[in-house]
Amino acid sequence: EADIYQTPRYLVIGTGKKITLECSQTMGHDKMYWYQQDPGMELHLIHYSYGVNSTEKGDLSSESTVSRIRTEHFPLTLESARPSHTSQYLCASMVSGGYNEQFFGPGTRLTVL
Amino acid sequence: AQSVTQPDIHITVSEGASLELRCNYSYGATPYLFWYVQSPGQGLQLLLKYFSGDTLVQGIKGFEAEFKRSQSSFNLRKPSVHWSDAAEYFCAVGDPGNTGKLIFGQGTTLQVKP
Repeated sequence: EADIYQTPRYLVIGTGKKITLECSQTMGHDKMYWYQQDPGMELHLIHYSYGVNSTEKGDLSSESTVSRIRTEHFPLTLESARPSHTSQYLCASMVSGGYNEQFFGPGTRLTVL
Repeated sequence: AQSVTQPDIHITVSEGASLELRCNYSYGATPYLFWYVQSPGQGLQLLLKYFSGDTLVQGIKGFEAEFKRSQSSFNLRKPSVHWSDAAEYFCAVGDPGNTGKLIFGQGTTLQVKP
């Protein structure tokens, strides 16, 4: 069973607030990913990381930022939340050389009012 | 660029009936292929994967998928659907190179009638 955690699971917040979505994994995986998913839609990659101190932009442009100071931790931050940021955010991880097999967390559903 | 197409947005089957969810991919070489399932409000759970070898792969929960290179397809099947199989199903192909990225299809919503 993959151990990847996301907190909070649900977040309702007002416009202009700064938020951080947490993602942690206990598998020692090098690579980590953030996806954005609107209801009933496909997943779009917004950020990924090869390892500590590595962050890359994904295929979908996002106003969020990420950091990777520790292997197990890959938080996503929005400096000023807007209603357009309302979505589900999914975190995933993968071992290097793992044939693209990613393990997913339960997701954070963000609503910005 | 790689792409994945799931032609059926929504499928409804009766409990106990067989199921086939279609997936077509666009990729030049032998792809890494995946099927994930997502229950409402949850993350994605890996059902099965294909890397190489036997083109018929078995997964969890009684699912199987067949890789057909000539048709660029990786269809998901289950002989007898249970009500608990109602969920969103995503097909994905691995992006080549070192990124480990996955390219997802649009998803198919499965509804199971009693």
